[in-house]
Amino acid sequence: GEDVEQSLFLSVREGDSSVINCTYTDSSSTYLYWYKQEPGAGLQLLTYIFSNMDMKQDQRLTVLLNKKDKHLSLRIADTQTGDSAIYFCAEIPMDSNYQLIWGAGTKLIIKP
Amino acid sequence: EAQVTQNPRYLITVTGKKLTVTCSQNMNHEYMSWYRQDPGLGLRQIYYSMNVEVTDKGDVPEGYKVSRKEKRNFPLILESPSPNQTSLYFCASNLAGAGDTQYFGPGTRLTVL
Repeated sequence: GEDVEQSLFLSVREGDSSVINCTYTDSSSTYLYWYKQEPGAGLQLLTYIFSNMDMKQDQRLTVLLNKKDKHLSLRIADTQTGDSAIYFCAEIPMDSNYQLIWGAGTKLIIKP
Repeated sequence: EAQVTQNPRYLITVTGKKLTVTCSQNMNHEYMSWYRQDPGLGLRQIYYSMNVEVTDKGDVPEGYKVSRKEKRNFPLILESPSPNQTSLYFCASNLAGAGDTQYFGPGTRLTVL
């Protein structure tokens, strides 16, 4: 079946760039998403990319999609303490009836 | 304000005592879902509903029931809770379509003793 994989933790220094990686197995994915979950809160959509794009930039966020390798990444420039959160990668395969397939989430830890 | 609300936010209960977690959205969304979040497993979909009176099983439906009698409400029912249902539960809604943003509720932390 479909699968989405992420590392569970990433630790970066404040001010550095963070790169959170995600791999997926379903080549028919239509949309790929990054959600952010701050401590004690629900999930908030950060950004998404349609499968016919290979890059999307939004202020400090850059999403890169490599369809050949089925690899999605989220780069956060100039990482701040407010970026501490769990970041979830998710995809919607073509025939999924709009059901999202979720990764396990990457906890981003910011070191001062 | 557009939002998804869940109640209660926290609940501690005992094995076998029926409970309901309510979910309500004020955005006239057609599509609603319930997820559970467990450490290292991410989000797993329990049930979803594509419209009133239309519900379907997600990845982990065992031990749960849902109903969708009105568009705005999508309650999650645990008829006989067990300790393995201790988890963080999220309700979500979206208008429709693959590109539409899912809006999440604040979560309900359930502990079953």
